Amino acid sequence: DQQVKQNSPSLSVQEGRISILNCDYTNSMFDYFLWYKKYPAEGPTFLISISSIKDKNEDGRFTVFLNKSAKHLSLHIVPSQPGDSAVYFCAATNAGGTSYGKLTFGQGTILTVHP
Amino acid sequence: DTEVTQTPKHLVMGMTNKKSLKCEQHMGHRAMYWYKQKAKKPPELMFVYSYEKLSINESVPSRFSPECPNSSLLNLHLHALQPEDSALYLCASSATGTVGNTIYFGEGSWLTVV
Repeated sequence: DQQVKQNSPSLSVQEGRISILNCDYTNSMFDYFLWYKKYPAEGPTFLISISSIKDKNEDGRFTVFLNKSAKHLSLHIVPSQPGDSAVYFCAATNAGGTSYGKLTFGQGTILTVHP
Repeated sequence: DTEVTQTPKHLVMGMTNKKSLKCEQHMGHRAMYWYKQKAKKPPELMFVYSYEKLSINESVPSRFSPECPNSSLLNLHLHALQPEDSALYLCASSATGTVGNTIYFGEGSWLTVV
């Protein structure tokens, strides 16, 4: 049972345009969501997070939107840069419970930003 | 400083060997984790340590033995592994006690079992 899904295995975007990466979840106990970026042969790098009490969080070029009723979140990158090309993982956890640190990851989306 | 340091970066071991993976953080985090990632798959949780005590073991085989000697260090002892255990092993850490603590990952240790 895949509790966190990233249905787009890949996304290709032109430099300067917006990249939108999507993530859906099924477990209503999840209350904290994170996006990580991963280059080959490296560990995941934290990008941005959002608590379930919010519907938007912004950090520079990165904005995460959360729609709790739809159990959907998205990561917007504006403007996209070639250096953003990587695998992006959506992750979720029940941070208010005792299982903090137990991140459930989506399958990842490969973002390619073309110059 | 959000650095989690893992050594070695690469490890090749035979099925009868005993080896260890090491992880260190100096962010004052009291929760540390081991995750495993196979090729083209997302990371999967193996163990969680909270205040140097094992709090979650995700039914990991006993040939993987975690150890947390102090609040900055986390080890993963490996013994009698199988070739299917070859993967990227990720250490991570976070603060505890507050909803929504960010988990920071190290660069990982690539393990190949031959």
